[in-house]
Amino acid sequence: QQQVKQSPQSLIVQKGGISIINCAYENTAFDYFPWYQQFPGKGPALLIAIRPDVSEKKEGRFTISFNKSAKQFSLHIMDSQPGDSATYFCAATSGSARQLTFGSGTQLTVLP
Amino acid sequence: DADVTQTPRNRITKTGKRIMLECSQTKGHDRMYWYRQDPGLGLRLIYYSFDVKDINKGEISDGYSVSRQAQAKFSLSLESAIPNQTALYFCATAPVDTDTQYFGPGTRLTVL
Repeated sequence: QQQVKQSPQSLIVQKGGISIINCAYENTAFDYFPWYQQFPGKGPALLIAIRPDVSEKKEGRFTISFNKSAKQFSLHIMDSQPGDSATYFCAATSGSARQLTFGSGTQLTVLP
Repeated sequence: DADVTQTPRNRITKTGKRIMLECSQTKGHDRMYWYRQDPGLGLRLIYYSFDVKDINKGEISDGYSVSRQAQAKFSLSLESAIPNQTALYFCATAPVDTDTQYFGPGTRLTVL
């Protein structure tokens, strides 16, 4: 049972466009929602994260939108660049173990 | 991230063989995690450890065991490898006071 559902599986956008990746969760105990970015041959690295007491967090071109009532959150990449081409994972954390539950990933390709 | 290293980076083995994947970190973090990544499934937690004497099973621990030899070292063993354990394996570390996890570069394991 996948507790964090991510879509789309793959996304192609033009340089300068907006990339949007969506995630939905079921476990209301989740209290931390990070996005990880992974380049080929590398491990995932934290990109941006949000806690459920706010509805939006912005860091540069990257924004998380969070809808607690709908149990959904999304990543928006403004002015997408070819260097943003990577796999993006949403995730969620709860409990004392702070273990990450990951979505299935989105492979983003930004065309020059 | 050079602060978290994994050895070997690539390994091909045969069904039934015992294999050990090693993770070392210089970050001084107490928390360490082992995940496996499969296409379309994201990353799933195998085991985690909060200190040398604390070992906990994750979502998919069957067929795996771990050893926390020191704060800096966390090893994952496959006692009798099987083909469906073919995957990318990632080690991650985290400090006790944040939710950010830092991933190693991964080990690509192929079981023939």
